[in-house]
Amino acid sequence: NAGVTQTPKFRVLKTGQSITLLCAQDMNHEYMYWYRQDPGMGLRLIHYSVGEGTTAKGEVPDGYNVSRLKKQNFLLGLESAAPSQTSVYFCAGGPLGTSEQYFGPGTRLTVT
Amino acid sequence: GNSVTQMEGPVTLSEEAFLTINCTYTATGYPSLFWYVQYPGEGLQLLLKATKADDKGSNKGFEATYRKETTSFHLEKGSVQVSDSAVYFCAPPESGAGSYQLTFGKGTKLSVIP
Repeated sequence: NAGVTQTPKFRVLKTGQSITLLCAQDMNHEYMYWYRQDPGMGLRLIHYSVGEGTTAKGEVPDGYNVSRLKKQNFLLGLESAAPSQTSVYFCAGGPLGTSEQYFGPGTRLTVT
Repeated sequence: GNSVTQMEGPVTLSEEAFLTINCTYTATGYPSLFWYVQYPGEGLQLLLKATKADDKGSNKGFEATYRKETTSFHLEKGSVQVSDSAVYFCAPPESGAGSYQLTFGKGTKLSVIP
C-alpha cells in the first residue's frame, strides 16, 4: 500500500495563478483532511471531509476550495493564488470513528 | 474547542540523554491522545497513542501516559539517539460529538548531538 500520496511535491506559482493539489489514499479511510504548515504556526486545518461527497471548513478555509468526488481522492484548489498562501500543504486520512490520522509527504508551494 | 500547550523548543540533547517533552491540554471527556513526529522534509507520522485515561502509549522507545488528573500526556524517552532528531507534536482531538479533528501543538524541535 502506498498510504497517502500527494501531487505535486513542489510548485512555484505567480500571484493570481490557479492550482489543484491532489491527495490520494489507498487505506479506505472515511475521513480526509487538508492542512497547511507555516513556521511557528504549527499545523492549521483548511478543510476536511467526513465521507465521499461531503466537505467542511476548518480553521483557515478562505482562499481555498475542496472536492471529494471519490472516496480515495481529496482535491484542494487555489483559484487565485496569493503570496500569503506560500506554505507546505499536508493531506491526511483517517478511519471512521477515530481522530487518528495518517499523513502524506506534503506539497511545498511557493507563490511569488 | 480544545487547546494544547506543548513545551517550546528547540531542545538540544546529547546522545543517550533522557528526554521529556511536556504536553497539557483542555478537553471535555476523555478523548484519545496522540503524539506525532516529523522528520526533516517529511510528513507527520503517528508515533504513539493512548485511547483512555491511565493508558500508556509506547513506540520506538518513546512513552507517554494519559494522566486525566493533570490533563497531561508528556512524551519521554530514556536514551535518545541522533536519529530521533525531529519535530514532535502533541495532538488531542477537538471536542464535540462527531468531531474527528485534531488540535496540534506548535511542535517541539529536538536535536540530538553525538
